Amino acid sequence: DQQVKQNSPSLSVQEGRISILNCDYTNSMFDYFLWYKKYPAEGPTFLISISSIKDKNEDGRFTVFLNKSAKHLSLHIVPSQPGDSAVYFCAATYSGGSNYKLTFGKGTLLTVNP
Amino acid sequence: DTAVSQTPKYLVTQMGNDKSIKCEQNLGHDTMYWYKQDSKKFLKIMFSYNNKELIINETVPNRFSPKSPDKAHLNLHINSLELGDSAVYFCASSQVSGIGQPQHFGDGTRLSIL
Repeated sequence: DQQVKQNSPSLSVQEGRISILNCDYTNSMFDYFLWYKKYPAEGPTFLISISSIKDKNEDGRFTVFLNKSAKHLSLHIVPSQPGDSAVYFCAATYSGGSNYKLTFGKGTLLTVNP
Repeated sequence: DTAVSQTPKYLVTQMGNDKSIKCEQNLGHDTMYWYKQDSKKFLKIMFSYNNKELIINETVPNRFSPKSPDKAHLNLHINSLELGDSAVYFCASSQVSGIGQPQHFGDGTRLSIL
C-alpha cells in the first residue's frame, strides 16, 4: 500500500529550464513533507521541506508547493543545472507521533541535459 | 568528515550466513534509523533507536536484530541470510527535537546473497 506516490519514474529537461517533480499522498494524517536528492552510490541528501500549515516553501532554486486538498506536492527547480541530475525522493511524516517516521515515494530520476 | 558512515559498503555472502553492518554518526544526533531499499527502489524504514531505546520496529523478520551500544552507533545483525535480503541498507540519523529536523543518511551497504 503506497501512501506516497511518485508516478513519474523519470524526467528529462534541458539545462536552464524548469524541472517539476510531482508527488501524491493518500494518508490524511501526513502533515510534514520532505524532498531528498540521491546520487548513485550515495545516500539520500535532504533538500527542502514543507509543513502543512504552508502552501509554499522556497530555498534558492528549489521551491516546494503543497496542495492539501488534492494531497499533492511538487518540487520546482529553476533554472535546472546538469548537477541536479539525480533521483529525487518525496517523503512524508506525521507530527503527532513521537518518532517522525518517514514514508518515502519510489523516486523520480531527473536528467538535466546540457 | 563523514557524518554518517556505514561499513562495509559492499557485502557479498552465501545464503544461510550471519552478517553485520555497522553504522556510526558524528553529528551528535540522538536518533538513528535503518532503512532497506529493495529492487523496486522503495526506501522503507526498518528500525529506529532514540538514545539507545528502540522506538520504531516495523514488520521485519526477527532474523534482523539492531543493536545500539551508544547513541552514536546503530549496528544491524542479520541471521540466516535469505535471497530476499539482497538490497541496499541505509543508516540515517536525526535530532528528534522537532519535526523540522531532517534525517541524514549514510551511503548505504549493498548486500548481495548468492
